[in-house]
Amino acid sequence: GQNIDQPTEMTATEGAIVQINCTYQTSGFNGLFWYQQHAGEAPTFLSYNVLDGLEEKGRFSSFLSRSKGYSYLLLKELQMKDSASYLCAGVDSNYQLIWGAGTKLIIKP
Amino acid sequence: IAGITQAPTSQILAAGRRMTLRCTQDMRHNAMYWYRQDLGLGLRLIHYSNTAGTTGKGEVPDGYSVSRANTDDFPLTLASAVPSQTSVYFCASSDGLSGTDTQYFGPGTRLTVL
Repeated sequence: GQNIDQPTEMTATEGAIVQINCTYQTSGFNGLFWYQQHAGEAPTFLSYNVLDGLEEKGRFSSFLSRSKGYSYLLLKELQMKDSASYLCAGVDSNYQLIWGAGTKLIIKP
Repeated sequence: IAGITQAPTSQILAAGRRMTLRCTQDMRHNAMYWYRQDLGLGLRLIHYSNTAGTTGKGEVPDGYSVSRANTDDFPLTLASAVPSQTSVYFCASSDGLSGTDTQYFGPGTRLTVL
């Protein structure tokens, strides 16, 4: 079956760095998305990786290892506004998105 | 309008009633999607449309129907609501037809079926 696994909840301190992991099992693979979702709001796009390696966008970076079926989202210089859920979604061989349940990130002062 | 809108924002509905959730986008995107989001579960695709006039079934289509008469609108209908359809419903759109295209989400409709 197809599956996306990510931790349910993580806590970090303002100003620190946090890494949110995601492992995936999909029938075929056509890339992986990360979305951010604040409580009560819509998911918004953060990143898309299809090649191995690290892609950096300001304070946020996303990493992919296709051979390991693994990705992570790295958030640096955490701010209180980064408190949100982070959704990992893999694209399978039929170009359908398989969504994880999301990781709720709590930032403490 | 800027982006994608949904109506209503929230609704409480008696079981057995018919309900249509509205979704409109002004980005001229080809593809549109309906998801439901339940606590502890990932977004689950209900129905999708790759272009006006065509629709397809997603992972959890039972009890739901959609139509795509034009590019902008993609309503979702619950013919006879049941309590298990209590959820937050998100409409989304993407420019291309591939799953690798970024999806843009509406603000969601919180539906409670009693």
